[in-house]
Amino acid sequence: SSELTQDPAVSVALGQTVRITCQGDSRRVYYTSWYQQKPGHAPVLVFYGENYRPSGIPDRFSASTSGNTASLTITGAQAEDEADYYCNSRDSSRNPHVVFGGGTKLTVL
Amino acid sequence: EVQLVESGGGLVQPGKSLRLSCVASGFTFDDYAMHWVRQVPGKGLEWVSHISWNSGNIDYADSVKGRFTISRDNAKSSLYLQMNSLRAEDMALYYCAKDAAAAPGTALDYWGQGTLVTVSS
Repeated sequence: SSELTQDPAVSVALGQTVRITCQGDSRRVYYTSWYQQKPGHAPVLVFYGENYRPSGIPDRFSASTSGNTASLTITGAQAEDEADYYCNSRDSSRNPHVVFGGGTKLTVL
Repeated sequence: EVQLVESGGGLVQPGKSLRLSCVASGFTFDDYAMHWVRQVPGKGLEWVSHISWNSGNIDYADSVKGRFTISRDNAKSSLYLQMNSLRAEDMALYYCAKDAAAAPGTALDYWGQGTLVTVSS
C-alpha cells in the first residue's frame, strides 16, 4: 500500500509562516485532508479537498498540492497552533483505501 | 451540535472478540459515510474501515481485513465495529468519525472521543 511521509517535527517562531508537508510515494497524492490533534483530544479537520476550510478554522490555515506532495501552510502561527498535524489521502495503489501520514509535531517558539 | 459517542472498548484476551458502537446525534446520520480510525497512545493515526451511507460501499485496512466487520443501523443512528480474533497489535484508542460526504472519502469532519481497546492475557 501507499505511504505518506511527514517530517516528525517542525518548529516556527510566533507570528511566522510554516509549511507542513506530506509526501506520497511515486504516485500523485489526491483528495488530501489535514487534521490538527492536541494532547488528549480527538483530531480536528482543518482543511480538505481543493480549497475547503471547515467552519471555525482560522483562515491562516491553507493547503495546496503539487504532484506527490501536499502541504499545509499556517500563515502567522499562533501559540494555540502547537499540535500534531496529520495528512490523509486516498491510497493511490489501493483506492478507496485511506492512508494517514505519520504526523508532524509543530512547536511554536 | 454533532456528537459521536463510542462505547464497547475494554480489556480482552488475544483471540477473543469485541464489538464497538458509536451513537451519532446532531446530524442526519444516513446522509453520510462513516469511518473507524485507531491510534495507539502516543503514536499516529491508522484508518481502519469505512462504510457508505447505505452500507453499499465498505472497505478495510489490510491489517484488519477478514477479522473486523463494520456495519451501521441508520434507524438507530449507530455505527458498529465487530472485532474478532483480536491481536496485541489491535490495542489502541478507536475513534468513530463522520465523513463530510455520503460516499467514503478522506475528509473526516467530526470525531468522537474514542474508546480504548486493550488486548492482553
